[in-house]
Amino acid sequence: QVQLQESGPGLVKPSETLSLTCTVSGGSSSSYSWSWIRQPPGKGLELIGYIYNSGGTKYNPSLKSRVTISVDTSKNQFSLKVSSVTAADTAVYYCARVMMTTVKTDGYYSYYYMDVWGKGTTVTVSS
Amino acid sequence: DIQMTQSPSSLSASVGDRVTITCRASQSIGTFLNWYQQRPGKPPNLLIYGASVLQSGVPSRFSGSGFGTDFTLTISSLQPEDFATYYCQQCYSALALTFGGGTTVDIK
Repeated sequence: QVQLQESGPGLVKPSETLSLTCTVSGGSSSSYSWSWIRQPPGKGLELIGYIYNSGGTKYNPSLKSRVTISVDTSKNQFSLKVSSVTAADTAVYYCARVMMTTVKTDGYYSYYYMDVWGKGTTVTVSS
Repeated sequence: DIQMTQSPSSLSASVGDRVTITCRASQSIGTFLNWYQQRPGKPPNLLIYGASVLQSGVPSRFSGSGFGTDFTLTISSLQPEDFATYYCQQCYSALALTFGGGTTVDIK
C-alpha cells in the first residue's frame, strides 16, 4: 500500500524558505492528488494546499502568496516551499494523499478526503 | 470560506462510555463531512467520510451522522485506544478542505 515520508530541514531561519519533500512508496505520484497539512505546537490542523494529479494546485488563501507545491514524478516525490517564514510557521508538517470516492445514494456524490498520511516532520523557525 | 466549529473542545469520559462529538458548518454542506482521529504524536487517521461512511478497517463502534450544517461523531463504547483528538473536515468545497478546531477525549 501507499506510504509517505516527509523529509527536510528541521530548523529554518526567519525570512528564509522552508522546503520539504514527501517521498511516495508503494504507488505512483502521478496517479493521485497530494496535500500538505501543518499543525502548530498544541494546536489544530491547517491545510496548506494540494496538487491534483492533473498538475493543478490549490492553496490556503492565508498562505497562498508564500506557498508552492509541486510534483516530481521521476523521483516519485512531491514538495512544499514556504517563503519568508516567521515563528508562526513553526509546526509539524504532514504530507497526505487526497482521495476521491463516489457514493450513490439518492444521487452520485464525490467525496474528497486524506486517507494516507506521512508521520510528520517538525520544522522550527528560529535564528 | 466554510468555517467548521466543533463542540465540546474537550471532554472527559470513561472506558465503556458512549461519546458524542458535534461539528457545525457555517453553511450547508450536505453530507460532505469527514472525521479524523489523532493520537498524541501521530498523524491523523481517517475514520469516516461522506458524514457516515466508515473507512475500511475502522471499528464499528464509530459512527457518523448528520446533514446540512450539523454533524455528529459517536463512539458507542469508548475503548482505551480511543482517547485522542477528533477533527471534522468539510469536503463540500473540494478546493478548500477546512478542518474543525478539534475535540480532545481524555480519561475521566
